[in-house]
Amino acid sequence: EVQLLGSGGGLAQPGGSLRLSCAASGFTCSTQGMTWVRQTPGKGLEWVSGIRASGGNTYYADSVKGRFTISTDKSKNTLYLLLNNLRAEDTALYYCTKGGPGSPIDYWGQGIPVTVSS
Amino acid sequence: QAVVTQEPSLTVSPGGTVTLTCGSSTGPVTSGHYPHWFQQKPGQAPRTLIYDTTNTYSWTPARFSGSLLGGKAALTLSGAQVEDEADYYCLLYNSGGAVFGGGTKLTVL
Repeated sequence: EVQLLGSGGGLAQPGGSLRLSCAASGFTCSTQGMTWVRQTPGKGLEWVSGIRASGGNTYYADSVKGRFTISTDKSKNTLYLLLNNLRAEDTALYYCTKGGPGSPIDYWGQGIPVTVSS
Repeated sequence: QAVVTQEPSLTVSPGGTVTLTCGSSTGPVTSGHYPHWFQQKPGQAPRTLIYDTTNTYSWTPARFSGSLLGGKAALTLSGAQVEDEADYYCLLYNSGGAVFGGGTKLTVL
């Protein structure tokens, strides 16, 4: 059974950092494209970042380019999103998905809340 | 990055048929955009309905189908049910990543 278990969210100050994790089970995340998506309460979905299979090419939305870094750890079967230089507008619920560049999106994680506030 | 447009809201009668569309500011949507469609109900994570324009998953109700229509990606719901009331989002890939549409709030009434 495919499961995506997210963690690492919380409260951060503007300019601060967080690392989101998405532990995968039922498949090997490094052999799939994977994606991070975020959603501000009451708003739509925003594609944030994607990574190709086997740690290949990475892609970022303009709004996070240069501040966020997507990666996978094969030994932990986990997808990560490192959020640096956080801004208030990064406050959102962050979802990881199985699937991304080169791989159809099928399963979604439960959402990781991130709040950026002083 | 491209702007992806969807109808902000649509209403369909129970048992009726409705088509949601997904357009791109850069030109016609093609299979090369690998269109996906997602359904999201309040308080829930999104659920994928359609991938790569027309393909469905085992959990996709048969009343949902995907296509290309008039230069846009389309999601057609045939035989709407009350439980189909939700927000629907499309996603299009491009060379730099991907972009979601703004979403369509579908009311079944």
